[in-house]
Amino acid sequence: AQSVAQPEDQVNVAEGNPLTVKCTYSVSGNPYLFWYVQYPNRGLQFLLKYITGDNLVKGSYGFEAEFNKSQTSFHLKKPSALVSDSALYFCAVSLRGSTLGRLYFGRGTQLTVWP
Amino acid sequence: DTGVSQDPRHKITKRGQNVTFRCDPISEHNRLYWYRQTLGQGPEFLTYFQNEAQLEKSRLLSDRFSAERPKGSFSTLEIQRTEQGDSAMYLCASSRGGGREETQYFGPGTRLLVL
Repeated sequence: AQSVAQPEDQVNVAEGNPLTVKCTYSVSGNPYLFWYVQYPNRGLQFLLKYITGDNLVKGSYGFEAEFNKSQTSFHLKKPSALVSDSALYFCAVSLRGSTLGRLYFGRGTQLTVWP
Repeated sequence: DTGVSQDPRHKITKRGQNVTFRCDPISEHNRLYWYRQTLGQGPEFLTYFQNEAQLEKSRLLSDRFSAERPKGSFSTLEIQRTEQGDSAMYLCASSRGGGREETQYFGPGTRLLVL
């Protein structure tokens, strides 16, 4: 069975400080990896994805994510947090080589950036 | 606006009633997905269409649920004889294709409350 774990329900960080939102996964084979962000009462917005190549992936709004195959992790990072980054963040995987493309999501991490 | 749209945004219904939701994907996206998100959880896959063909259904999709995509464009999700446990956010996503191109873009969701 495929699973995605986001070990922290909440992450709190001061504006201007670096942030990390953690994600680990357990899948059969090599996955594609994604981060999405959700603002209150809104759908999910795509931030970035890892397909292959460089383990550091850059995405929207200054976010980046680091893929670590040995640790099966895909942590989301940002060097300097903004108050406007406060939202719910979801890590997701899909199965490489599958024709179906369904996403498996973690439970989400609520990021709060205080001024 | 060329994003994924969903209608209605909110629906309140009484237990036992039928409800139908609509999703309009991004133009020329041949793949369409439905997910369900309950409070405190990540989205869970319900079903997937490639063009008009429904290729995968989750075990979450009981026989009270039916989805269609008759012309390979918009899709509808119907829930018959609604139950309180059906209360959730129903998300639609679309993508251009599989493999490396598989990035799903989500609509704003339809929030269902069953009284």
